Amino acid sequence: ETGVTQTPRHLVMGMTNKKSLKCEQHLGHNAMYWYKQSAKKPLELMFVYSLEERVENNSVPSRFSPECPNSSHLFLHLHTLQPEDSALYLCASSQDLPTSGATDTQYFGPGTRLTVL
Amino acid sequence: GQNIDQPTEMTATEGAIVQINCTYQTSGFNGLFWYQQHAGEAPTFLSYNVLDGLEEKGRFSSFLSRSKGYSYLLLKELQMKDSASYLCAVRDRSSASKIIFGSGTRLSIRP
Repeated sequence: ETGVTQTPRHLVMGMTNKKSLKCEQHLGHNAMYWYKQSAKKPLELMFVYSLEERVENNSVPSRFSPECPNSSHLFLHLHTLQPEDSALYLCASSQDLPTSGATDTQYFGPGTRLTVL
Repeated sequence: GQNIDQPTEMTATEGAIVQINCTYQTSGFNGLFWYQQHAGEAPTFLSYNVLDGLEEKGRFSSFLSRSKGYSYLLLKELQMKDSASYLCAVRDRSSASKIIFGSGTRLSIRP
């Protein structure tokens, strides 16, 4: 599935840097998600957007700041991160929010492998 | 609370059959997904169950028992390319926008 793209694929940053992760979906979906995947831990939902409105914020530290300028693009702005924030950050999209039915099947991007030094 | 359990690792032989189990506890079950994730790649959707029973899709089948809080993914005629992590995920009514993922089962296929 190449409908969801993410850039960059790999990112190394210092704790004082500011960087942004970008996600773009070409599927015409209405909902977009940011997940964090750490080694041997479940996927952790960070943020959910539906029609450019944030509908879920899972107690994520303020050093992570999402932005959804339109239904096709999603950004994750990073600043003053900690080494424990090193992980794979996955973007996903679905036709609608997962309230019911199969139209909420999530399609994932390839992820950004983030290393914080 | 919400909890999803699945084995951390499994090994199987090429051409054989393997069953990956998933048990869950949620306050309001509303559907279960299985995803496949190859190392370094994105998770890809395999199956979705919301009613009890078996859903078959080619070499892969998924089973659900809501009363037991239990699902399994059955892979037949295993191929080397099936070596991957398999993620069980549950949708919960307590949050309209949330799907809870298990830690995944890493399946290794040997010749």
